[in-house]
Amino acid sequence: NAGVTQTPKFQVLKTGQSMTLQCAQDMNHEYMSWYRQDPGMGLRLIHYSVGAGITDQGEVPNGYNVSRSTTEDFPLRLLSAAPSQTSVYFCASRIQGAREQYFGPGTRLTVT
Amino acid sequence: RKEVEQDPGPFNVPEGATVAFNCTYSNSASQSFFWYRQDCRKEPKLLMSVYSSGNEDGRFTAQLNRASQYISLLIRDSKLSDSATYLCVVKAGGGADGLTFGKGTHLIIQP
Repeated sequence: NAGVTQTPKFQVLKTGQSMTLQCAQDMNHEYMSWYRQDPGMGLRLIHYSVGAGITDQGEVPNGYNVSRSTTEDFPLRLLSAAPSQTSVYFCASRIQGAREQYFGPGTRLTVT
Repeated sequence: RKEVEQDPGPFNVPEGATVAFNCTYSNSASQSFFWYRQDCRKEPKLLMSVYSSGNEDGRFTAQLNRASQYISLLIRDSKLSDSATYLCVVKAGGGADGLTFGKGTHLIIQP
């Protein structure tokens, strides 16, 4: 199993550009989520999904969209990038109700 | 008040020493507790869950005090490879996620 994979690893955007961060898992996990991690802050939940076709907002959803058309994939879309979205983004997955959450390697995004 | 608070450190500890971190949480409805480890520029990984009776995994011991709403992690005989950031994570009951992460405690083991 590859576990949780994320692409790209690094990305630089200009203000106002849009892009999609990709996340995939091959463990058949129902639950997937996106976090951002900023210096001096804990991980903060952006959006999550409990299964294909179901998504919900987390703590900091503004400026981001998600969809879950398959169990495996959970892309995160930045609609119009802003410098405040410069961060490290982690995708995670787990079996619903399980204790352990598996994280992807992260995407380092810089918005200039 | 922050939901999950940790001393950010850094804790500089000589190899072989014992080190302990604490974490406090504000939501008394919290039901599950974890310590995650995060290496520099890497993703967080589960180190251990924390159970009410306390639990041990090799050199690592975790304790939970529900009355005082704090969690502790003790590392004995510390190794250079223990250098990392340790994240305290709390899960409230209900909801699909409910995970709240502390900002982490940075540990540096010195030779």
